[in-house]
This record gives sequence, structure tokens and C-alpha cells, in this order.
Amino acid sequence: DTGVSQDPRHKITKRGQNVTFRCDPISEHNRLYWYRQTLGQGPEFLTYFQNEAQLEKSRLLSDRFSAERPKGSFSTLEIQRTEQGDSAMYLCASSLAGDRGIQYFGAGTRLSVL
Amino acid sequence: SQQGEEDPQALSIQEGENATMNCSYKTSINNLQWYRQNSGRGLVHLILIRSNEREKHSGRLRVTLDTSKKSSSLLITASRAADTASYFCATASDGGFNKFYFGSGTKLNVKP
Repeated sequence: DTGVSQDPRHKITKRGQNVTFRCDPISEHNRLYWYRQTLGQGPEFLTYFQNEAQLEKSRLLSDRFSAERPKGSFSTLEIQRTEQGDSAMYLCASSLAGDRGIQYFGAGTRLSVL
Repeated sequence: SQQGEEDPQALSIQEGENATMNCSYKTSINNLQWYRQNSGRGLVHLILIRSNEREKHSGRLRVTLDTSKKSSSLLITASRAADTASYFCATASDGGFNKFYFGSGTKLNVKP
């Protein structure tokens, strides 16, 4: 499978715990995006990488959130001291610069904070 | 707030009927894209229309774009039960396609 893969698919955690999600983009894609989606809503942009550089962060990304993309390949999104409001689906997408901006999405990681 | 907003929020039709959903946005765009999301899954790209295009077809999909009204519509003809999903329009307002703005989506239910 050469699509975008995300791990884990589901994560249940207790409030106050730290969680980390991983995204493996399509191999030749140099752009990687993280979105958050709550029930009944569309995805909201969180952050964007071009290669290993994090070029943009949403105001939604509080200081408890950090994302990395070492070596410009896979990316991780860490949430520290989780809160119940962090419960959502976290989507990763990748694209190839110049490909008209079409983004290819993974299946997402559903986070439930108890 | 997010730029794209879809209308209606929910649509229920019989198999074989056509489904039309609309999207409105606020600022100038480079292109507008429609995505589909099956329940609990990621989004799948359906079709892209550039800001200088007015209509585009892909299989059973027809997209129109009216930049003067800042609106787009997605028509699915001869719908199938497998078309049941949420549909989102995505707009990129900057020149580098760096991030999308999504609306809340239209939830389409096609009854067999």
C-alpha cells in the first residue's frame, strides 16, 4: 500500500497523559499536513511541513502540541497533558509540491481522552 | 473561521436520483476541490476546479464554480448507495496551496 498511513488508528488515554501519533506520507511527497476533525465538522488545519521544515502552525496548535518531521519523511504529532477537548480525529495528509495542491489523506487517528 | 461552507448539511435521496450540494467561500481562491469522507475514514479527493474554470466533469460528477458569487456546486448523477458519505469542499486562499479550509460538509444518504 503506497498511501498515507497513520498509527495508531485509535487511542484511548486518560486526561493528563501524553500521546504521540505517527504519519507516514506517500514516499515522494515533500509536503505534509496535520488536521484535526471533531464530530460533525470538517477538518481544521493544524500545521504544515515542507520537507523537514515546519512552515506554518495554526493558532489551534497550543503549546501542548508539537509536531516534527525529522529527515523530511514520517511525522509525529505529540499532545502533552491531554484534555478532554483534545478528543478528535487527527488526520494527516501529504502532497507533492506543484501537483495542483491535491492532498492525499490517511485514515486518521481517533483520540479519546477520558 | 473556516472559509468553505456546504449546503445542505444533510441530504437523503433514493438510489438513481441526482444529488446536488453547494459550497460558499469568502476570499479569492486559486482552486476549489471536493473531497468525500466515508464514516470514520480519511478524505478522498474527488475533483478539482481552477479559479478560471466554470465547469468540470469527472464520471458521474459535475462541478461548477462561480467566482463572482464565491460559490461552487457538486452534482452527483445517478446516485448509488455507495455514494453515501460526507462531502466537503476545500479552498486554498494562498498561492502555495499550503493549507485547506474545509466547511462542515454535506452528509449524503443514498437509500437503496
